[in-house]
Amino acid sequence: AQSVTQLDSQVPVFEEAPVELRCNYSSSVSVYLFWYVQYPNQGLQLLLKYLSGSTLVKGINGFEAEFNKSQTSFHLRKPSVHISDTAEYFCAVSFSGGYNKLIFGAGTRLAVHP
Amino acid sequence: NAGVTQTPKFRVLKTGQSMTLLCAQDMNHEYMYWYRQDPGMGLRLIHYSVGEGTTAKGEVPDGYNVSRLKKQNFLLGLESAAPSQTSVYFCASSYKWPTYEQYFGPGTRLTVT
Repeated sequence: AQSVTQLDSQVPVFEEAPVELRCNYSSSVSVYLFWYVQYPNQGLQLLLKYLSGSTLVKGINGFEAEFNKSQTSFHLRKPSVHISDTAEYFCAVSFSGGYNKLIFGAGTRLAVHP
Repeated sequence: NAGVTQTPKFRVLKTGQSMTLLCAQDMNHEYMYWYRQDPGMGLRLIHYSVGEGTTAKGEVPDGYNVSRLKKQNFLLGLESAAPSQTSVYFCASSYKWPTYEQYFGPGTRLTVT
C-alpha cells in the first residue's frame, strides 16, 4: 500500500529566507508525485508535479521539487519566500492504473514572518 | 469556465438529518472524487467515479453514498449525519490522461451537532 509522510507539521520562516518542506513516500509500484497548496479557506491548487523524466521539477510561484527514487523523497524548496507564501502545503502520490486517486500527506503549515 | 464548483459552501446539520452535496465540473473530465479534510490528517478519499453511471469506494466510504448520473455532476449524500462527519468536503476532477492532476473545488464546510 502507498503512504505519504510529511515530516514537519509546521515550518516557521522569515521573509526572504529559503525553505524546504519535506515529503517521503512509500510504494511498491511506480508513483506520480504532486505538491498542492491551500490558502486559507480555499481549495487546493497544484504547485508542481513529477510524472517522469527530469527529477528536478519547477512549479508556480518560484517553487521547485526534486524526486529522489533511492530515498523515496520529493522535497519542496523555494530559495526566497514571501509573506504571501503563508499557506498549507500537501504532498500527494498517485500510481499508474489507480484512476489518478491521490494519497495525501498530513500537510505542512508554512508561516512566513516579516 | 468555472472549473469545479461545490454547493453549498456551508451547512449545519443536526445528528440524524440527511443532505446532499453537489459537485459540478465544466472541463469534461472523466474522473471525479470526493475527499474529506480533517485537521492533521490531510485529505482522505471517500468515493470516486471513473465515468458516468459508475462509482467506487475510497479510503473512508462508511456513512456516505454517491451518484454520478451525468458526466459533469458528482453528488455526495449523507443519509443520517453523525458528529464524526463534521469536516470540510472537497470535490475534485481529472482527465483520464495524460496530465493525471486533479482540479479541486472550493470546499463545503459541514458541521453536525
